[in-house]
Amino acid sequence: DAGITQSPRHKVTETGTPVTLRCHQTENHRYMYWYRQDPGHGLRLIHYSYGVKDTDKGEVSDGYSVSRSKTEDFLLTLESATSSQTSVYFCAISEGGRPYNEQFFGPGTRLTVL
Amino acid sequence: QQQVKQSPQSLIVQKGGIPIINCAYENTAFDYFPWYQQFPGKGPALLIAIRPDVSEKKEGRFTISFNKSAKQFSLHIMDSQPGDSATYFCAATITGNQFYFGTGTSLTVIP
Repeated sequence: DAGITQSPRHKVTETGTPVTLRCHQTENHRYMYWYRQDPGHGLRLIHYSYGVKDTDKGEVSDGYSVSRSKTEDFLLTLESATSSQTSVYFCAISEGGRPYNEQFFGPGTRLTVL
Repeated sequence: QQQVKQSPQSLIVQKGGIPIINCAYENTAFDYFPWYQQFPGKGPALLIAIRPDVSEKKEGRFTISFNKSAKQFSLHIMDSQPGDSATYFCAATITGNQFYFGTGTSLTVIP
């Protein structure tokens, strides 16, 4: 998985609790992304980062925040988890630059919010 | 609103058949169209990609056909094998950073 790890790989939590997912890369790529994957919706971008402390929203950013204090780590936080945030979350990385920007995906984190 | 529409949702073919997966888009500013392959329990992996100034691209048994005027593109898998059984996603991007994915096609190749 191109030097990308995600932790935890599985998590079950309760509605209203905060949750943080971690993505770690060893490729020194500039861009990092968080996606969620749901049946019938494919992959949808939540947030992405184009450098340390530089982040931007994707198409489904409500209820999520991110932080990137080091090149290799990109954190996704659900401030108060809801059942609608039950999903599989994928981190991706890329070197950046348009337009031929291959993304490499991590193994995913399965999150269940009860 | 789905930026990239993908069909069919699922597809079953016999070994050696040629499954075809179709995608359509509206935004003419999209300038890069990749296809990803995903096996159960794994993250998606880039399979093949095309730019809008090319009508066809082949890599091994995988071919993308691109119709700019119709705003459609499709993936063909020649001589399909059971190992090709996976979920396939098309995608499109303008900036090279924000990608919009289709809803996925689950392909099963029967031996």
